Amino acid sequence: DQQVKQNSPSLSVQEGRISILNCDYTNSMFDYFLWYKKYPAEGPTFLISISSIKDKNEDGRFTVFLNKSAKHLSLHIVPSQPGDSAVYFCAAIIGGGAQKLVFGQGTRLTINP
Amino acid sequence: DGGITQSPKYLFRKEGQNVTLSCEQNLNHDAMYWYRQDPGQGLRLIYYSQIVNDFQKGDIAEGYSVSREKKESFPLTVTSAQKNPTAFYLCASSISGQGPNTGELFFGEGSRLTVL
Repeated sequence: DQQVKQNSPSLSVQEGRISILNCDYTNSMFDYFLWYKKYPAEGPTFLISISSIKDKNEDGRFTVFLNKSAKHLSLHIVPSQPGDSAVYFCAAIIGGGAQKLVFGQGTRLTINP
Repeated sequence: DGGITQSPKYLFRKEGQNVTLSCEQNLNHDAMYWYRQDPGQGLRLIYYSQIVNDFQKGDIAEGYSVSREKKESFPLTVTSAQKNPTAFYLCASSISGQGPNTGELFFGEGSRLTVL
């Protein structure tokens, strides 16, 4: 039972345009959502997060939107840069303890020059 | 610099052999975790430890063992009982393993294990 789903395995975007990565979840009890970025042969790094009490969080070129009624969140990157090419994982958590993190399958983003 | 160090980065193993992956952190984090990544799948939790001398099974613990004798170290042994051990293994840590937690993890660079 996949509680966090990233239905697009890959996404290709032109440099300078907006990249939109999507994530759906099934458990309405999730109260915190995170995005991680991963380069090949490296560990993921934390990118941005959002609490369930908010619907938007922005950090520079990265904005995460949360639509609780649709159980959907998205990560917007604008403008997209070549260094943004990576795999992006969406993750969700209920309450305390990072051992409760549930990860999506990941979306490979490729930024084309 | 503070961080998490995993070794070795690449490891080859013959079927039937046990192998131990090292994970060391100098972030003074209480909690440590082992994840496995397979192509097309999200990260899956193998084992975690919220405090020294204590650890718990994650979602896919069968065929693996861990120890947490020191706060800084959380080695993972992939035993011969693990049916499909070829994967990318990631160690992570977080500030606290208990109580309210935003879920932010700090990851090592990973270890790729290939069974020949």
